Formats: sequence, structure tokens, C-alpha cells
Amino acid sequence: KAGVTQTPRYLIKTRGQQVTLSCSPISGHRSVSWYQQTPGQGLQFLFEYFSETQRNKGNFPGRFSGRQFSNSRSEMNVSTLELGDSALYLCASSLEVGTETEKLFFGSGTQLSVL
Amino acid sequence: GNSVTQMEGPVTLSEEAFLTINCTYTATGYPSLFWYVQYPGEGLQLLLKATKADDKGSNKGFEATYRKETTSFHLEKGSVQVSDSAVYFCALSVPIGAGGTSYGKLTFGQGTILTVHP
Repeated sequence: KAGVTQTPRYLIKTRGQQVTLSCSPISGHRSVSWYQQTPGQGLQFLFEYFSETQRNKGNFPGRFSGRQFSNSRSEMNVSTLELGDSALYLCASSLEVGTETEKLFFGSGTQLSVL
Repeated sequence: GNSVTQMEGPVTLSEEAFLTINCTYTATGYPSLFWYVQYPGEGLQLLLKATKADDKGSNKGFEATYRKETTSFHLEKGSVQVSDSAVYFCALSVPIGAGGTSYGKLTFGQGTILTVHP
């Protein structure tokens, strides 16, 4: 079974631009979460989607947004990029059934560099 | 709010040494507790979990016991290998939805870098 797939693996953008990151969850997983990982702040929760609906959101500005499609694939978008948005963005999927609930399976991430 | 505190690293050990990485937490409600491991250039992998007090999670020789009285979930391994070199994250989730889900939100500690030498 394929794992969580994130594309692209690396991305370089300049300040003020916008960026879209993609995540394909494990087949059958309907919950997709996004996290930002930086050396200073560690791992921080961005948002979670289930059946195309955002169910939970972290404390990030409105420049960070996401969506989920009917096939459970998800995208996150960051508009008006700032230098501080440079980070590893991780996507995770979950089955959310019985004992599998809360078991998050992470992708390898997209490394975003903002210049 | 919810928070997780891990012992600061890096931790450097020789192969076959005993490993302990301390983790304590603060949570509203009754959390589930996790240890995740991140190898270089990869995402996080779930190592073990525990969902209630006195539960012991174990996997690949690692184990951790959910201690509600001390709000701790320390990671231990009796004999580490070079291949265990990685970053280890302690995390918690607090149920906020039906069925005990946290709607994808884990609160992570800062991570502990472990290096094991031959």
C-alpha cells in the first residue's frame, strides 16, 4: 500500500509569491492534517480536513489555507509568502476507525524555502 | 493549554547502551500519548502509543508507560543500535470530537536528537 505522498519535495519561492503544496493520503484514509516544522517552533498544527470539510484549525494567519477534494487528496496554499514561512510542511493522513483513530501517517514533506 | 516537554538533546550513546528520553505533559482532558521518530530526510513515523493510564506502548524494543500521576511518558530501550539514530518526538492528542478524535491535532514536544555510535 502506498504511503502518504507529498509533492513537490523541494520548492524555492520569493517573498510575496504564493505557493500550493499537494498531498495524497493513504488509500482509504479520509482525514488529512497539515503541519509546519521549523527549527525554532518545532512541529505546529495547521489544519485538518475530513470529507472535504475543515474540522480543525491551528493558530496560523489567514494566508495559510487548504482544501480537500472528493478523492481525499488535499492541497495547502500560502499566499504573500514571508521569509518566516520557510519550513518543512508535513501532511499526515488517518483512517479514523476504531483503534486506528489518532494514528497519523506522515509524508516525507515539502521543504519550502522563501528568499 | 496543552503542552509537551522533552529532555533536551542531543543524546549520544554507544551501541548496546540503555536509552531513556524523558517526556512530561500538560493537558486539558484525558490525552492519548505518542512517540514518533523522524529519520533524516523523512517524515515522522509512529513508534508507539498509549491511550489510558498505566498502558504500556511498545515497538521495536522501545517502550513507554502512561503515568497519569506524574504526567509522564518516558521512552526507554534496553540496548540501542546505530540504526536507532534519529529524532524522537513525544506528542499528545486530546479528544474533542465524536469517537474520541482530536481532528488531526497533535501537540508535539521539541524533539530529542539521538546519535548512537558503534
